[in-house]
Amino acid sequence: AQKVTQAQTEISVVEKEDVTLDCVYETRDTTYYLFWYKQPPSGELVFLIRRNSFDEQNEISGRYSWNFQKSTSSFNFTITASQVVDSAVYFCALSPSFGNEKLTFGTGTRLTIIP
Amino acid sequence: DAGITQSPRYKITETGRQVTLMCHQTWSHSYMFWYRQDLGHGLRLIYYSAAADITDKGEVPDGYVVSRSKTENFPLTLESATRSQTSVYFCASRHGGAGETQYFGPGTRLLVL
Repeated sequence: AQKVTQAQTEISVVEKEDVTLDCVYETRDTTYYLFWYKQPPSGELVFLIRRNSFDEQNEISGRYSWNFQKSTSSFNFTITASQVVDSAVYFCALSPSFGNEKLTFGTGTRLTIIP
Repeated sequence: DAGITQSPRYKITETGRQVTLMCHQTWSHSYMFWYRQDLGHGLRLIYYSAAADITDKGEVPDGYVVSRSKTENFPLTLESATRSQTSVYFCASRHGGAGETQYFGPGTRLLVL
């Protein structure tokens, strides 16, 4: 069975601080995909990143970066120089590489950026 | 490019009534999904469909019915709504098999009185 744990239920930081959102996963699959989604106060779910389990390189996109470590089954998300617009609930998710299986979501981390 | 849309966006109904939530996507994605989002549970899969006329149960299918006669539409019906079905419902679609990105609709907020 697959499982995604986001132990941080809520985080608050002051604007311009860096913040890291943790994601730990469990799977028996040898190949799989990991995702991050953002849910701003408006409610929609916005796709941020998809990462194949074969690719352990860190990824950077503007102020966002992702650290994938297979050895610790973690896929952490860092926002550098946070802004108020980053306030949202962030979900980490896991999918196998084969079959019709569902996306397994963590319970989300609510991030509040204090101006 | 409309992408994936849901209607209605908000719905209030009473216990025992039948409710249908609509989902439409313009990408011709093969896979479509219905999730519900509740506090403390994250997103849970209700039903999914791999193609027209092919549907399968997810984690929490009881009390729901789906159909998919056309690739672009995937309606979700609550046959006899209960208060426990008060939730935010998200439809999603995906082009290919597992591992491909799911894209979500804007959601439908349903309140069952």
